[in-house]
Amino acid sequence: QSVLTQPPSASGTPGLRVTISCSGSSSNIGSNAVSWYQQLPGTAPKLLIYSNNQRPSGVPDRFSGSKSGTSASLAISGLQSEDEADYYCATWDDALKGYVFGAGTKVTVL
Amino acid sequence: QVRLQESGPGLVKPSETLSLTCTVSGYSISSGYYWGCIRQPPGKGLEWIGSIYHSGSTYYNPSLKSRVTISVDTSKNQFSLKLSSVTAADTAVYYCARVVYSYDSSGPVLDAFDIWGRGTVVTVSS
Repeated sequence: QSVLTQPPSASGTPGLRVTISCSGSSSNIGSNAVSWYQQLPGTAPKLLIYSNNQRPSGVPDRFSGSKSGTSASLAISGLQSEDEADYYCATWDDALKGYVFGAGTKVTVL
Repeated sequence: QVRLQESGPGLVKPSETLSLTCTVSGYSISSGYYWGCIRQPPGKGLEWIGSIYHSGSTYYNPSLKSRVTISVDTSKNQFSLKLSSVTAADTAVYYCARVVYSYDSSGPVLDAFDIWGRGTVVTVSS
């Protein structure tokens, strides 16, 4: 059971917007930066968002992150078929003194 | 271009020690960053195992801490994972990654894993 809660699945049609939530607590999301990772089928995870809302070079601006209090969210706008993947939120937990991942959200493009 | 490559036995017997080496190319481990290990059991999510700085300072997942040792060899630009007393539950894809970090009042805080290796499958079975 992860300390970060994500919905197990999300879906949308091409071109539309999908949002994935990540709920935590004051010891993790409430006090540390959130990252998001994309894992395409059969591949290693890739950093998608860091420091709550920053995109590494090469990540399309269709992906955006935000944080408010003890929750964070990832939005994918203009959904494309190649966005079908598992998405994980993650952050440092001060109480556990460790890095924690959410259980992941599988995004399906209908 | 920074690259990480995992290497190690693909099959480990129950109760033995899993050993994994991560070789870094395109960047000197001594130049900074933390370096970490993450695993993913079949069909499941990601689990952080631990991380190390080039000085040897380490952070371990509390749930694995009693069985994990991560060490660094700056002369070979490598870091290594040892996980003792393995069981079938330790069967997973094991990844190495570079870790971006910052500081808060209590010390270093791991922020994000920005570069990942391709991963290596480790199966625990007799």
